[in-house]
Formats: sequence, C-alpha cells, structure tokens
Amino acid sequence: DIVMTQSPDSLAVSLGERATINCKSNQSVLYSSNNKNYLAWYQRKSGQPPKLLIYWASTRESGVPDRFSGSGSGTDFTLTISSLQAEDVAVYYCQQYYSTPRTFGQGTKVEIK
Amino acid sequence: QVHLVESGGGVVQPGRSLRLSCAASGFTFSTYVMHWVRRAPGKGLEWVAAIWADGSNKYYVDSVKGRFTVSRDNSKNTLYLQMNSLRAEDTAVYYCARERDSYNDHWGQGTQVTVSS
Repeated sequence: DIVMTQSPDSLAVSLGERATINCKSNQSVLYSSNNKNYLAWYQRKSGQPPKLLIYWASTRESGVPDRFSGSGSGTDFTLTISSLQAEDVAVYYCQQYYSTPRTFGQGTKVEIK
Repeated sequence: QVHLVESGGGVVQPGRSLRLSCAASGFTFSTYVMHWVRRAPGKGLEWVAAIWADGSNKYYVDSVKGRFTVSRDNSKNTLYLQMNSLRAEDTAVYYCARERDSYNDHWGQGTQVTVSS
C-alpha cells in the first residue's frame, strides 16, 4: 500500500496570509505513460462531506477559488492557500489514486490565528 | 446536478450486520465507478471499497475483506454496502463517492454507523 504523510498536522494562519500543506508518498504516484500525478486534495469542513479541490496534483476543480493551488510531482506535493479566508477553516487531505487501496494522508487542520 | 444520499446507518451490536444504501441522481449512474469511504471518530478518511460501473469488479481495503460486500443496482441508481461481522473499529461516518477519471468528484453527506454493545 502507498503511505501518504501530510505535514503539519495542524496550522494556524492569519487572515490574508499564506497556508502551505505538504504531502509525501512513500512511492511515486506519477504514471509515466501519461505523465500524470495521481494525487488529489480534498477539503472537509465540520459537518460536511469532503469536497474535491485539486486533481492530477495541480488542476483546480471547477468552482474552486483560485487562491487554492496544488504543485509537486512524484512523491512530494503541496497545497497552497495564497490568502487564507475565514471560510477556509477545514481539514485538508491528500489522496493517491495511483493504486488500490486508495490511501489518504492523515489530514491537516487549518485554523485562523 | 449530482446528488448522492446515503442511508441505512444506525447503532448495531458487534458481530451483527447492516446494509448501507446510496441513492444517486443527476447523472448516468450506470457509467460511473463508485466508492465507499469512511471517517472514524477523531480520525481521517479511509477508503473502504469500490465497484466498477457494470459491477464486474470490486475492490476492498484489507480490514473489511471477507466481511463487507459492495454491490449496485443500476436499474435503481443505487449503490450498496453490506457489512457483516461488524466490529467496534467499523464505527464511522460512511460516505459514497462518485469516481471521475480516477478521483472522487462528488460525495454524499454520509451516514453514521455505530458498533456498540
């Protein structure tokens, strides 16, 4: 199984400041035949289901604000919120869909400082 | 508009069974791979199972193999998760999710399963 490890477990950021979440896999999730990274980011707000933010490591889902961006390749990935808003308070998860079982990172809780 | 609604959760004793359902609408259900994902109290997300669009292939996380069965009825636009021999560690909110191009683009609100004596 591919193990996904996020860092930090939690972070507090001031409104308008940048939040950065890292995700590392213990094996590459880059599929060489199509040069795509099989990595997604989800946001889960309290009492709500997960919401897809980013897929293929860096493609923003339709309707997701452009302050959210994803980067990275192979085994190291980053989710960046460029200017944190109050509505961004949530737990964020990375997930690899390169192989079964699909595995998630442990989650990163983002709060307002 | 894609809509996924889970049902069937509840409180059940260890060793007993429960069947979850996920009613889908707003898309052509029979052409999509579907998944179950759970979130235990105070923990993160855990992928549980997946089933191909035609039901011909099914996949499970090791911890539920032999106890859980995923199925679907494309004529009813409904996904199921039959859970047998339930354990305390199966306590979680269970979500169904649609797969688009390998990732999960839409999720239901979830249904709570509590395994307790």
